Amino acid sequence: AQKITQTQPGMFVQEKEAVTLDCTYDTSDQSYGLFWYKQPSSGEMIFLIYQGSYDEQNATEGRYSLNFQKARKSANLVISASQLGDSAMYFCAMTPSRDNSGGGADGLTFGKGTHLIIQP
Amino acid sequence: ETGVTQTPRHLVMGMTNKKSLKCEQHLGHNAMYWYKQSAKKPLELMFVYSLEERVENNSVPSRFSPECPNSSHLFLHLHTLQPEDSALYLCASSQDRAVAGGGVYEQYFGPGTRLTVT
Repeated sequence: AQKITQTQPGMFVQEKEAVTLDCTYDTSDQSYGLFWYKQPSSGEMIFLIYQGSYDEQNATEGRYSLNFQKARKSANLVISASQLGDSAMYFCAMTPSRDNSGGGADGLTFGKGTHLIIQP
Repeated sequence: ETGVTQTPRHLVMGMTNKKSLKCEQHLGHNAMYWYKQSAKKPLELMFVYSLEERVENNSVPSRFSPECPNSSHLFLHLHTLQPEDSALYLCASSQDRAVAGGGVYEQYFGPGTRLTVT
C-alpha cells in the first residue's frame, strides 16, 4: 500500500517569493514514481512534474523543481518566483513502477493537498 | 477536441435517477481511470481500465457501474445514488504499461463532472 502525507492545508505567499510545498510518502514498493499536480478552481488536474525513485537528479520543469530526498521519503515541490496565477490546490501523488511483463495500469495515490494563495 | 474531455460538467440528480458520465480522450492512450474527489478528502481511485479491460475496482459500491467500449471512451453509469456520492468525478488517461515499456507514465486528467445528488 502507498500513502502520501501533505501537512500544509493552506499557505499564503507574497508574489515573487519562492515557495516550498511539503510531501512525504510511504510505500513498500522498491520502484515508484512521484508526481505533483495543480488544481485551479476550475477543477482540472494539471500535471506539473515527475520524479522517478531511481532518478539520481532532482526533476525540474521551468519554475518547478522537486526536492527529492529518498532516505527521508520526501518529495517537496519548490516554485520559484511565484505568480498570482499559481494560486491553486497542489497535490502530491505516487504510483508504483512495474515492468511491462504483465501489461496493465496503476492508479495514483494522492495526498490531501495544499491550498496555495499568492498575495500581491 | 484535445486532451481529455468530460460531459456533462455539472449534474444534479435525484436518488432514484439513472444517469451516465462520459469521458473521451484524444491522446492515443489505452488506459483510463475514474477518480472521486469529495470535499476535504484525498482523491480516491475508483476504477482502472487497461486495453478496455477492467484491471482494478477499488471497492466501489455497485451503484457505480463503469463501461469502457473502446480505448478512447469511458463511462460511469450511476443509479440509486446517495447524497454522500456528491463529489467531483475526474477521468484520466495514460499509456498502458505494456505499450509504455514498463515504468511510470503520467496521467492526464479531464476537467471533471461536478455531481450533486439531492
